[in-house]
Amino acid sequence: EPEVTQTPSHQVTQMGQEVILRCVPISNHLYFYWYRQILGQKVEFLVSFYNNEISEKSEIFDDRFSVERPDGSNFTLKIRSTKLEDSAMYFCASQDRATDTQYFGPGTRLTVL
Amino acid sequence: GDSVTQMEGPVTLSEEAFLTINCTYTATGYPSLFWYVQYPGEGLQLLLKATKADDKGSNKGFEATYRKETTSFHLEKGSVQVSDSAVYFCALRGGSNYKLTFGKGTLLTVNP
Repeated sequence: EPEVTQTPSHQVTQMGQEVILRCVPISNHLYFYWYRQILGQKVEFLVSFYNNEISEKSEIFDDRFSVERPDGSNFTLKIRSTKLEDSAMYFCASQDRATDTQYFGPGTRLTVL
Repeated sequence: GDSVTQMEGPVTLSEEAFLTINCTYTATGYPSLFWYVQYPGEGLQLLLKATKADDKGSNKGFEATYRKETTSFHLEKGSVQVSDSAVYFCALRGGSNYKLTFGKGTLLTVNP
């Protein structure tokens, strides 16, 4: 069964550095998402992406964040100038046009020191 | 804005016990409602969903009924197994956008 994959599973970085979190969505899906979960808190929506552009973003997704689908298979989340409060589990999800079901990856745990 | 409130965990049950995890929501319009499950070390998996009032979603012995009058979508299972140990998330998709709004998650541990 097709699945969403994410790499790395755990990323440790120093505050102020840039990180890129990678996701490979299910191949025929057209809608892509990033969510995050700070330890002990809710899973929060960050951004949705469709037709090579952002369709919606939350207030969390400030100008340090960006997303890209560079090669038609990968979907990346870049965070510049990381802050301690960016430490969280980041989930990628993809969705096909026919259903309203989002399929999630296993997540990348980001730790900012 | 949209919000989901679910029962605080952790919940610890013995095998074959009855499970209820409460979930209530606030949303404008007519949201779709979901339960996702996360097994240790894995991503969020859709467990069941309901797209309109009075719909019942069911899967793997779990059930939840979309109750518009009480704005609730409680998850139930008649007889839990050790393999049901996981974190359960209630979520909604409101209106015309596709983003999901999640509850905090409830950790369920089932002991043999």
